[in-house]
Amino acid sequence: NAGVTQTPKFRVLKTGQSMTLLCAQDMNHEYMYWYRQDPGMGLRLIHYSVGEGTTAKGEVPDGYNVSRLKKQNFLLGLESAAPSQTSVYFCASSRGTSVADTQYFGPGTRLTVL
Amino acid sequence: QQPVQSPQAVILREGEDAVINCSSSKALYSVHWYRQKHGEAPVFLMILLKGGEQKGHEKISASFNEKKQQSSLYLTASQLSYSGTYFCGTDSGGSNYKLTFGKGTLLTVNP
Repeated sequence: NAGVTQTPKFRVLKTGQSMTLLCAQDMNHEYMYWYRQDPGMGLRLIHYSVGEGTTAKGEVPDGYNVSRLKKQNFLLGLESAAPSQTSVYFCASSRGTSVADTQYFGPGTRLTVL
Repeated sequence: QQPVQSPQAVILREGEDAVINCSSSKALYSVHWYRQKHGEAPVFLMILLKGGEQKGHEKISASFNEKKQQSSLYLTASQLSYSGTYFCGTDSGGSNYKLTFGKGTLLTVNP
């Protein structure tokens, strides 16, 4: 039982390049989330999904797109990377049945945009 | 709107106590507390639900005052392993379950 995994762990991009971050969970969770973490800012929600085939915007969605084609996977895409997107990205998942459900986090992806 | 955590940072000696506060301007249904070590993922500590229920986990406990929309995390007899950044995440209800996290409180426990 791996929990939540993220690929890749590190990535360096040049401005304007595109990339996709992959999140996978093996807990059969309905909800999945993408956060970014910047120094002194805490965790900010980018996009989330309440089930396969659904996505919704979070607090800071601009410049990102997501897809949830399979229940276990949640992809985060950057179409044209900008230096402001340099951050650590965390994926999380939860059962999505009540306010008491725990969110389980992946190990994170450190992205640098030059 | 992010909940406000205080203090921003605290330094303790091993064995001392600390309190971390989390305040929201919105009505809350739940407050989730996480701890994050440097370079690692946030790890769940506990959940406080509407109703003022106090939950405990070993020497770490928490309370939730729904009238004041505040939660406090109590760390007693701190250990070196308690060092890290503590985040509160709040759920203000609605049809989807998502959290809004505070900016964190950096706790350093020294020998």
